[in-house]
Amino acid sequence: KAGVTQTPRYLIKTRGQQVTLSCSPISGHRSVSWYQQTPGQGLQFLFEYFSETQRNKGNFPGRFSGRQFSNSRSEMNVSTLELGDSALYLCASGRDAEDTQYFGPGTRLTVL
Amino acid sequence: GNSVTQMEGPVTLSEEAFLTINCTYTATGYPSLFWYVQYPGEGLQLLLKATKADDKGSNKGFEATYRKETTSFHLEKGSVQVSDSAVYFCALSDRGYGGATNKLIFGTGTLLAVQP
Repeated sequence: KAGVTQTPRYLIKTRGQQVTLSCSPISGHRSVSWYQQTPGQGLQFLFEYFSETQRNKGNFPGRFSGRQFSNSRSEMNVSTLELGDSALYLCASGRDAEDTQYFGPGTRLTVL
Repeated sequence: GNSVTQMEGPVTLSEEAFLTINCTYTATGYPSLFWYVQYPGEGLQLLLKATKADDKGSNKGFEATYRKETTSFHLEKGSVQVSDSAVYFCALSDRGYGGATNKLIFGTGTLLAVQP
């Protein structure tokens, strides 16, 4: 069974730009969550989607948004990029009946 | 709120040494507990999990027991290898009393370096 895939793997953007990251969950998984990983803050929860609805949201500014499509694929968008948004963005998927999350390889975003 | 505390690293060991990485948690309800491992340049891989008190999760020689009385989930391995060098994260699910979320709360991670 294919794992969680994320595209692109690497991105370089400049301040003020916006970016869209994509995540395809494991087949059959309807829950998708996003996390930001930085050396200073560690792993922080961004948001979670289930059946195209945002089910939970972390403490991030409104510049961070996401959505989920009917095939469970998810995208997250960051507008007006700041230097501090440079991070590894990790997507995880899971079944609804259990709370185990399976992670993708991440997208490394660098903001210059 | 729920939280996870794990020991600071780095932990440096010689090959075949015994490993313990401490993890304690604070939670309401009955969360599941997890250990994830992250190799350089990669995402997180699920190492093991336990879903209720006294459960023991195990995988690839690693073990951890869900101890409700001490709110702990320490990771152990009897004989580490160079290939075990990675960052290890302890995590708990934030479901609380049957809430519907798959959100995980992570510890800060512990870097393990195993020398030949």
